[in-house]
Amino acid sequence: AQRVTQPEKLLSVFKGAPVELKCNYSYSGSPELFWYVQYSRQRLQLLLRHISRESIKGFTADLNKGETSFHLKKPFAQEEDSAMYYCALSGLSQGGSEKLVFGKGTKLTVNP
Amino acid sequence: NAGVMQNPRHLVRRRGQEARLRCSPMKGHSHVYWYRQLPEEGLKFMVYLQKENIIDESGMPKERFSAEFPKEGPSILRIQQVVRGDSAAYFCASSHFLREQFFGPGTRLTVL
Repeated sequence: AQRVTQPEKLLSVFKGAPVELKCNYSYSGSPELFWYVQYSRQRLQLLLRHISRESIKGFTADLNKGETSFHLKKPFAQEEDSAMYYCALSGLSQGGSEKLVFGKGTKLTVNP
Repeated sequence: NAGVMQNPRHLVRRRGQEARLRCSPMKGHSHVYWYRQLPEEGLKFMVYLQKENIIDESGMPKERFSAEFPKEGPSILRIQQVVRGDSAAYFCASSHFLREQFFGPGTRLTVL
């Protein structure tokens, strides 16, 4: 079964501190992994995807197939990073459907 | 490009009534996904549609729920005879084939 687990419901750090949001997944094939972010009163938007191997807003995430993890990291958190973060996976299925399977999300608060 | 549009943003229905949720995809997108988010949960896939076709409805409840994406006009998610358990946020996303999904702001359904 496809499953995404985000063990931390809430995460609070101080500005300038490193931050790591954990994500573990369960999938039998080769999934594609994503991080989505939802800032206050805004819509859900894609932050990064593992195949692009980019750094967006200072965030990086490495896919570890051995540990089935896709943790999101940033070395120096900023107050504007405060938001809800969702890890998600997709794998091609019925009819080319790229349906996303989401974790429950982690609410990150960066304190001044 | 106004992005994915959903209306209404908030919908209140009494038990037994019908709810119709609309989603207008981004210009040029012909693929629409619907997701439901229950309180304290992540988004869960419901259905994937292309113009005039349902491609994957593996996440749709068997009864009372239906979806369409006509040749002209928005995609519609219809819930008949709503119950309190249908109260949730409903999100749609649109994409080109096998490309990034862009999300709408969601419709928050409250069943009294």
